[in-house]
Amino acid sequence: DQQVKQNSPSLSVQEGRISILNCDYTNSMFDYFLWYKKYPAEGPTFLISISSIKDKNEDGRFTVFLNKSAKHLSLHIVPSQPGDSAVYFCAASGNQFYFGTGTSLTVIP
Amino acid sequence: EAGVAQSPRYKIIEKRQSVAFWCNPISGHATLYWYQQILGQGPKLLIQFQNNGVVDDSQLPKDRFSAERLKGVDSTLKIQPAKLEDSAVYLCASSWGQGSGNTIYFGEGSWLTVV
Repeated sequence: DQQVKQNSPSLSVQEGRISILNCDYTNSMFDYFLWYKKYPAEGPTFLISISSIKDKNEDGRFTVFLNKSAKHLSLHIVPSQPGDSAVYFCAASGNQFYFGTGTSLTVIP
Repeated sequence: EAGVAQSPRYKIIEKRQSVAFWCNPISGHATLYWYQQILGQGPKLLIQFQNNGVVDDSQLPKDRFSAERLKGVDSTLKIQPAKLEDSAVYLCASSWGQGSGNTIYFGEGSWLTVV
């Protein structure tokens, strides 16, 4: 019962362009959403979050958009940098946190 | 502020042996989590503590896995006996409280290989 899905296992983007990572969820009771970034051999690092009462949250180059009617959230990174190359996990929480399977982003210099 | 500390970082054991992982959460964080992450998958919750009490251990294979957080601070996760399919990264995480609105912070993980 995968309640949070990231359907794109990988994404390649040119440096300076926009990276868009997508995430879908099934449980309408989720009310807090987070994105984590993970480098090889390290634990996931918190990146940005959004409450269900908002539809957008921005932090520097990172913006998360939430579409509750579609049960969809996305992470926009602009401009993308080579150091952004990592695996990105989305997570949703109600009483518990549920994680997607991750999208591996490669930013090509 | 120190992050979530985990040890050991890497462990290789033979099947049927035992292993223990230790975690010290961020100071003041009441909620502590152990996740299992298998290659290519997202983290899966094994057990969640609130202070020294278990909140959720529904996905913990209790015939072989055990965890404790006796004093409500650091925690130990044990696997005995280990199986090949236990090869994974064991992530400890913590948060101020439980439930929605809390952000969880992960340690660097303990990488287990069972041969």
